[in-house]
Amino acid sequence: KNEVEQSPQNLTAQEGEFITINCSYSVGISALHWLQQHPGGGIVSLFMLSSGKKKHGRLIATINIQEKHSSLHITASHPRDSAVYICAVRGGIQGAQKLVFGQGTRLTINP
Amino acid sequence: DTGVSQDPRHKITKRGQNVTFRCDPISEHNRLYWYRQTLGQGPEFLTYFQNEAQLEKSRLLSDRFSAERPKGSFSTLEIQRTEQGDSAMYLCASSPNSGATYNEQFFGPGTRLTVL
Repeated sequence: KNEVEQSPQNLTAQEGEFITINCSYSVGISALHWLQQHPGGGIVSLFMLSSGKKKHGRLIATINIQEKHSSLHITASHPRDSAVYICAVRGGIQGAQKLVFGQGTRLTINP
Repeated sequence: DTGVSQDPRHKITKRGQNVTFRCDPISEHNRLYWYRQTLGQGPEFLTYFQNEAQLEKSRLLSDRFSAERPKGSFSTLEIQRTEQGDSAMYLCASSPNSGATYNEQFFGPGTRLTVL
């Protein structure tokens, strides 16, 4: 079993729909990252959080440390949101810096 | 600030050849990471530098792989005697040691390696 599991693996929705991508992890962490990857490979950091909730524009990320679970929400989805969304965790060991990644969720928003 | 840059962006090589990739982090970012991503998968950690010191290496980094960051600025990743299984996207990221973006990782565009 991978340390970081995402669901769903693929998601297709219509423009305007509310999107939820889930991430569960099995290890202690110091922070969780949500990343966006467009075709061609470039990865952009969306959020880094260790508790609670963060919002940026139409994107919202939440984390529940006790349940080892995080969600990424997109409100009023748009075709330009189509990308792979990746959840990654940074270990709870002091000084641990590497990220452990989920396999990604491929999101397609149709007009 | 031009972001993290990687060179080359694409590399096609024949099995058995050596290849070297370069990563230039964001200036003054003292942490640098190498990851590898195969098709349809999330990235996997390879190695991590703080300044010029290589502090962690994954067991994925076989003896054919070596990474350096000699002056604590740019880094190189060399793969000797390439195998077809080395075909992947090699990603570099950097992060600062302090400030508002402390511990956030900034990724380069990646180097896509194809081993024929």
